[in-house]
Amino acid sequence: DADVTQTPRNRITKTGKRIMLECSQTKGHDRMYWYRQDPGLGLRLIYYSFDVKDINKGEISDGYSVSRQAQAKFSLSLESAIPNQTALYFCATSDPRTGRARETQYFGPGTRLLVL
Amino acid sequence: QKEVEQDPGPLSVPEGAIVSLNCTYSNSAFQYFMWYRQYSRKGPELLMYTYSSGNKEDGRFTAQVDKSSKYISLFIRDSQPSDSATYLCAMSDTGRRALTFGSGTRLQVQP
Repeated sequence: DADVTQTPRNRITKTGKRIMLECSQTKGHDRMYWYRQDPGLGLRLIYYSFDVKDINKGEISDGYSVSRQAQAKFSLSLESAIPNQTALYFCATSDPRTGRARETQYFGPGTRLLVL
Repeated sequence: QKEVEQDPGPLSVPEGAIVSLNCTYSNSAFQYFMWYRQYSRKGPELLMYTYSSGNKEDGRFTAQVDKSSKYISLFIRDSQPSDSATYLCAMSDTGRRALTFGSGTRLQVQP
């Protein structure tokens, strides 16, 4: 089984709809991240959380919210989806105490979101 | 201006070629430098990691960091079709709150 899972893998929604993307991990990591990836823009950080009580805005948090329900679960919500939120969304985890490098991030398979 | 600049490519080379991928950055506080590889329809995976300036070699891959020029490179020797992917540079400062990624370079190695 994959260590970092994302659901759904693909989603089509309409402008104005609320949508939630979910991330679960079995790696036991405290740190979790949400990124979006757009062609030519690379990975941009939306929100990150270093533990259940720690939530931080990233570079592009406007229009998004998050919930850290447990160490293993980190959800991203689009309150009112708009077409320019069409992108590939990745969840990632890290643990500075383990891994090849302290900053290693482990990514999920991504959710492809289309907002019509 | 972006904190991290990376040529998006695409870069197409024949099998066996030496590939050079580069990033420049503007934040002098960056101390940790990484290269991630992303295959199509997959999440990125860590390929190389370097702390501060210097070189690191791992098999066919060599990562270089020149902090005086704010320039990092990834070299791939004897490139293989299986190296075809998007390569993203990433870096962080000593606070290590989060990574800043480049936009990625798409590499195609032709058999």
